[in-house]
Amino acid sequence: LAKTTQPISMDSYEGQEVNITCSHNNIATNDYITWYQQFPSQGPRFIIQGYKTKVTNEVASLFIPADRKSSTLSLPRVSLSDTAVYYCLVGDIRGFQKLVFGTGTRLLVSP
Amino acid sequence: EAQVTQNPRYLITVTGKKLTVTCSQNMNHEYMSWYRQDPGLGLRQIYYSMNVEVTDKGDVPEGYKVSRKEKRNFPLILESPSPNQTSLYFCASGGVGTPTGEQFFGPGTRLTVL
Repeated sequence: LAKTTQPISMDSYEGQEVNITCSHNNIATNDYITWYQQFPSQGPRFIIQGYKTKVTNEVASLFIPADRKSSTLSLPRVSLSDTAVYYCLVGDIRGFQKLVFGTGTRLLVSP
Repeated sequence: EAQVTQNPRYLITVTGKKLTVTCSQNMNHEYMSWYRQDPGLGLRQIYYSMNVEVTDKGDVPEGYKVSRKEKRNFPLILESPSPNQTSLYFCASGGVGTPTGEQFFGPGTRLTVL
């Protein structure tokens, strides 16, 4: 399973765009990139998933370069409620075997 | 409502007293898993199950047992709890073969072993 590396923490202010980058140099051909969000004392929640190029939903965008060795989660115009831990996962979505969450990126949004 | 439920939500116990944390999902998911979360260590997988009667170890299985007799239930058993198992536990489920492979997490069980 591809190992991921993310920044431990990031700070931002309300209304700014936040980009969190995840490095996954050993990503395999069948692997997808998935991001989860976790608020304190709650279970993680699925945000977005992609394989290549760009994916956008109502919450975020995911940018994946051609070599797929990294990906960037983009949160437009963050608010205080976006303060959370964000996890990048890489794995074959055909199965769930031994998914590794890692320590994630703690995002703090200030007024 | 589609959900994963865990019980109890909070538990304080003493070393060596066997306990079970229940997990149930109503989405007919094949995959279920248990994670523990500790400060500075993120989420670590304990056990997972790809279907009924099929279980496998995650990254930190020592001291835990699981069973998957029914598709909807995946209890976590601590035969002889120790203080180092004090943690926040999450159960998750997912539909194998679904387009996104999304996992749905329960609300968590905060366990304290004295």
